[in-house]
Amino acid sequence: DTAVSQTPKYLVTQMGNDKSIKCEQNLGHDTMYWYKQDSKKFLKIMFSYNNKELIINETVPNRFSPKSPDKAHLNLHINSLELGDSAVYFCASSQRVTGQGNTIYFGEGSWLTVV
Amino acid sequence: GQQVMQIPQYQHVQEGEDFTTYCNSSTTLSNIQWYKQRPGGHPVFLIQLVKSGEVKKQKRLTFQFGEAKKNSSLHITATQTTDVGTYFCAGADRGSTLGRLYFGRGTQLTVWP
Repeated sequence: DTAVSQTPKYLVTQMGNDKSIKCEQNLGHDTMYWYKQDSKKFLKIMFSYNNKELIINETVPNRFSPKSPDKAHLNLHINSLELGDSAVYFCASSQRVTGQGNTIYFGEGSWLTVV
Repeated sequence: GQQVMQIPQYQHVQEGEDFTTYCNSSTTLSNIQWYKQRPGGHPVFLIQLVKSGEVKKQKRLTFQFGEAKKNSSLHITATQTTDVGTYFCAGADRGSTLGRLYFGRGTQLTVWP
């Protein structure tokens, strides 16, 4: 069983469209994240939820909206997609909020290409 | 604000050569973690260091945490083609109430056979 699973794995869409990426973790973790990785491999945190509560919201355009229906799920919806949104989006989870010695488990990534 | 700087950004080595990547933080860290991402894959946890001056080994990999808990290094002895990938350090800010982890920009390692 995959610990952190996200779908779709690949997504090609046109500018202006709206798309969603779904994520689920079966580790029983309290904290979930969305990271964006650009073409230079830079991992940038976007959002973090702890027990369904938003705790980290980096400087991300309002077009990106996370939703956590329960602590095992964290979905990412993106409105009005732009070329610069093309990247790999990683969902991740940790047992608790990091900084207390907890490992981050990453999903396999969703490759988003905006054309 | 918190920053974790990692160098070099790229490293190309011949198989059998050693490799080292370095991380430096602007603030004192509570712990530092290392991750490896294979090409086309996702970051995978390697190790966590917590104590000042701590050294841990995993086969050919040696991880160090500085005495001041502001820097860390990963050293690979006698690289193999299976070591190819991007290595990330990630530090947890001791003073952060959010306890968030800050990732370095990664070092992309290429190993020539």
